[in-house]
Amino acid sequence: EAGVTQFPSHSVIEKGQTVTLRCDPISGHDNLYWYRRVMGKEIKFLLHFVKESKQDESGMPNNRFLAERTGGTYSTLKVQPAELEDSGVYFCASSLTGDRGYTFGSGTRLTVV
Amino acid sequence: RKEVEQDPGPFNVPEGATVAFNCTYSNSASQSFFWYRQDCRKEPKLLMSVYSSGNEDGRFTAQLNRASQYISLLIRDSKLSDSATYLCVVNWSNAGKSTFGDGTTLTVKP
Repeated sequence: EAGVTQFPSHSVIEKGQTVTLRCDPISGHDNLYWYRRVMGKEIKFLLHFVKESKQDESGMPNNRFLAERTGGTYSTLKVQPAELEDSGVYFCASSLTGDRGYTFGSGTRLTVV
Repeated sequence: RKEVEQDPGPFNVPEGATVAFNCTYSNSASQSFFWYRQDCRKEPKLLMSVYSSGNEDGRFTAQLNRASQYISLLIRDSKLSDSATYLCVVNWSNAGKSTFGDGTTLTVKP
């Protein structure tokens, strides 16, 4: 089966610009998660979708971040306007039930300059 | 105190060695537990779930002690290919968010 796909793999943008990350989960996986790893820190939770609904968005750092999952398939994470501290690797993961671990995508490495 | 704490490492061991990693978690209501492996500049990959009764997958054995709130991973007969960062992961609810430890880096040398 196809894995979790993320696009783009790398993005370099200037402070103040907008970037949109995309995640295509494994087909049939209702649970979709966004995580982020900033330099030198642990991987941290951003939010969790069940189908198209936001189940938990407690990890979203501020209102510059907007996640959507229209139709319950792929998801986008928009950062607008980007700040320097947003640099890091953004991982998407999906799962069927959530209690058996996730499958992660290969991540988007975002650099804000 | 962090919610999930791991041995700081790094661990440098010769091929064939046995190595053990420990992890503690703060929330006694935690539901599910995992070990992930992450290679340099790659995504985390699920290594194994951790069950209360303990579980084994080949050379890997995971243990959970709910009373003491710690999880362990034992790797026997280490291979060069085991070199990676091992992440301890705890879920507060079965399908909800995961909390990751900082990871412990293992290097297996010839």
